[in-house]
Amino acid sequence: DIQMTQSPSSLSASVGDRVTITCRASQGISNYLAWFHQKPGKAPKSLIYAASSLQSGVPSKFSGSGSGTEFTLTISSLQPEDFATYYCQQYSSYPYTFGQGTKLEIK
Amino acid sequence: QVQLQESGPGLVKPPETLSLTCTVSGGSISSFTYYWSWIRQPPGKGLECIGYIYYGGSTNYNPSLKSRVTISLDTSKNQFSLKLSSVTAADTAVYYCARMYTSGWIDYWGQGTLVTVSS
Repeated sequence: DIQMTQSPSSLSASVGDRVTITCRASQGISNYLAWFHQKPGKAPKSLIYAASSLQSGVPSKFSGSGSGTEFTLTISSLQPEDFATYYCQQYSSYPYTFGQGTKLEIK
Repeated sequence: QVQLQESGPGLVKPPETLSLTCTVSGGSISSFTYYWSWIRQPPGKGLECIGYIYYGGSTNYNPSLKSRVTISLDTSKNQFSLKLSSVTAADTAVYYCARMYTSGWIDYWGQGTLVTVSS
């Protein structure tokens, strides 16, 4: 299985900040990479697919980049509703696998 | 707006069979565009794909669980189901159902249901 490693595991930031989360794959996955976030007790929400394509309805403050083995998710101008746990997922080969998550907390 | 909702027992005894259903609203499961997927997350651990089913009836299961998993569709009820046999405490997890494009990325998730395996 392809291993996905996210960094950092947790991140403290303030409203209005810009943050970047990194996801690394144990082997090349082209651009078959998705990002989503989750709040406690809520359904995970899709943000980005194909490494950089925004899911419908997701604000442009979210952006993704990368290809191969290294990917980033950037969130600009953090708002209170953005504080959640963020995950990456590869869908290059099954079983699709996930990063361990990055918990974004309010400073 | 597509919504998925998991349902089923919250407690299962070992070595019985865990059975969950996912009800889809706001969209039809009778579509060749999507796979209908199950994913789980044990407490304090990472997310794990269990398997998925396609409207045409084909399935794909995680090799680590393949011998114990069955996923099926009920188009008349717009539902799909998961059965996991011979459960142990290691199967305790939050179970999610999800809609996945055939390319592999998930656009909608259920909110998850906790299933505890304990005697």
